[in-house]
Amino acid sequence: DAGVIQSPRHEVTEMGQEVTLRCKPISGHNSLFWYRQTMMRGLELLIYFNNNVPIDDSGMPEDRFSAKMPNASFSTLKIQPSEPRDSAVYFCASSPTGGSFNEKLFFGSGTQLSVL
Amino acid sequence: QKEVEQDPGPLSVPEGAIVSLNCTYSNSAFQYFMWYRQYSRKGPELLMYTYSSGNKEDGRFTAQVDKSSKYISLFIRDSQPSDSATYLCATTGTASKLTFGTGTRLQVTL
Repeated sequence: DAGVIQSPRHEVTEMGQEVTLRCKPISGHNSLFWYRQTMMRGLELLIYFNNNVPIDDSGMPEDRFSAKMPNASFSTLKIQPSEPRDSAVYFCASSPTGGSFNEKLFFGSGTQLSVL
Repeated sequence: QKEVEQDPGPLSVPEGAIVSLNCTYSNSAFQYFMWYRQYSRKGPELLMYTYSSGNKEDGRFTAQVDKSSKYISLFIRDSQPSDSATYLCATTGTASKLTFGTGTRLQVTL
């Protein structure tokens, strides 16, 4: 299994530009999570999906952020317009459904976003 | 106040030392406790998983939870240079929403 695949690995953009991050979860996993990691705040949950449906988006910072999961094998996180304070590492994670194993997350390698 | 507090380190120890990593949390509803290990430029990977209070051992690693004091610990025996990484504690109640600490960076030197 290739694991959770994220693209791009690095993204450098200018303030005001639209940024789209992509994620392919592990096949058969029904839950997908988007996290943001910074030195100051650590790992923060932005949004998570179960069976392609957004369950909790309370961590999305503001309306500039949006996430979609059109099917079980693909998700996007979009920032429009981007701002320098959005600079962080964005991780996608997936997990299988069912009981306590729902807390076992499998992370991708992340997208390092720099907004100039 | 953050729900999960963790000393960022860095913590530097010689090879073979016993390492103690700790977190405190504030929410009494948290029941599941995890430790993730994150190597540089990689995503976190699950290391240990425990439910409620008590100890759990896996090879050189021991996870300990004290719910009365809201204290989580990870002990690493016979530490190796390959253990050099950032260690994140995480916890949750019954919902599928982990709350992470900011991580402690560990460096094991030869």
